Amino acid sequence: EDQVTQSPEALRLQEGESSSLNCSYTVSGLRGLFWYRQDPGKGPEFLFTLYSAGEEKEKERLKATLTKKESFLHITAPKPEDSATYLCAVQGNSGYSTLTFGKGTMLLVSP
Amino acid sequence: NAGVTQTPKFRILKIGQSMTLQCTQDMNHNYMYWYRQDPGMGLKLIYYSVGAGITDKGEVPNGYNVSRSTTEDFPLRLELAAPSQTSVYFCASTTRAISNQPQHFGDGTRLSIL
Repeated sequence: EDQVTQSPEALRLQEGESSSLNCSYTVSGLRGLFWYRQDPGKGPEFLFTLYSAGEEKEKERLKATLTKKESFLHITAPKPEDSATYLCAVQGNSGYSTLTFGKGTMLLVSP
Repeated sequence: NAGVTQTPKFRILKIGQSMTLQCTQDMNHNYMYWYRQDPGMGLKLIYYSVGAGITDKGEVPNGYNVSRSTTEDFPLRLELAAPSQTSVYFCASTTRAISNQPQHFGDGTRLSIL
């Protein structure tokens, strides 16, 4: 059974204070690890897909990295508009693009 | 460019009532999914479909039914609603599994059962 654990559950940062979110996973044959952003009252919005250990992807102040056991979402000099819940999910070999999600990290960036 | 559209956005049901949550996508995606999200919990897969006429159970299918008569639509049916089904329901879609494309989500239906 695929499993995803995200930490911390919640994180409060000051504007400009860089940090990282963690996603630890166990999966039978990783086909992709996905990061999503979710704003209150909205559906998850796709950010990144990582396929293999060592891969990195960047988008504005966000950078996602992947190892064989975990992924990190690094947030550099965050702004208040980066406040959201960040979800991590894995796709293994067991289903038709089915995803297993973590519980998410709620990020609050204060001005 | 609507993407995935869910209706209604909010609904209150009484215990024992039935209802259908609607989901439609205009991206010609083969695969569609229904999830529920409870406070402090991750998204849990209820049912999914890989094409018209083909559906399968996810992690938490009890109390729900689905059908897929067209590529665009994937309704979720609640029979005999129970308080445990109070949740936010999300529909998602993607293209074929081989390309590992991300799932695209609607904005959810918030359902309360009293």
